[in-house]
Amino acid sequence: SQQGEEDPQALSIQEGENATMNCSYKTSINNLQWYRQNSGRGLVHLILIRSNEREKHSGRLRVTLDTSKKSSSLLITASRAADTASYFCATAGAGGTSYGKLTFGQGTILTVHP
Amino acid sequence: DTEVTQTPKHLVMGMTNKKSLKCEQHMGHRAMYWYKQKAKKPPELMFVYSYEKLSINESVPSRFSPECPNSSLLNLHLHALQPEDSALYLCASNLEGGIAYTEAFFGQGTRLTVV
Repeated sequence: SQQGEEDPQALSIQEGENATMNCSYKTSINNLQWYRQNSGRGLVHLILIRSNEREKHSGRLRVTLDTSKKSSSLLITASRAADTASYFCATAGAGGTSYGKLTFGQGTILTVHP
Repeated sequence: DTEVTQTPKHLVMGMTNKKSLKCEQHMGHRAMYWYKQKAKKPPELMFVYSYEKLSINESVPSRFSPECPNSSLLNLHLHALQPEDSALYLCASNLEGGIAYTEAFFGQGTRLTVV
């Protein structure tokens, strides 16, 4: 089964609102990454947070990581119609059978209405 | 150059055909990945190459055969595929040798249809 489970599966908001997506995972990780995918094409890296970090910011993005709960959240502030895409968390395994792998969660489809 | 280039963009092949997907990067990355993505699903890892050696094979059927001729190129050879193999095939690379400590760069993918 996939390492990461994301919720919600789909999120529909108005421009200017904030969007929050959550990701949970099962095994120990080296880092957790968030990616964006438009229209089923290539993925674009958004932000990486290491296992010893708790929060990270990049522009309008804020990511938190709680390793005790094995969960992460991605907050997009002041959303724009151009943010409409699928968002995936991906975990980089720290050991065992997950070592060396970048494993993706189920994804959240975000729709931002103008 | 921060691009991963995949060719072709689209491919239609019959079940008896042999074809290859190609991936190229010139960022000096030493880890390269193949992922398969079905519609409305997340990418699923198929293979990882680290320093031109196959380090991970996620129990992929032998009709998919990866090859890494050099540190910049990654191929995926396809033979006797089934219609259920139709999907978007994504190539990715990152700096370290398959440890995924850093961000991965993805190509735009090859949309494969098996008829």
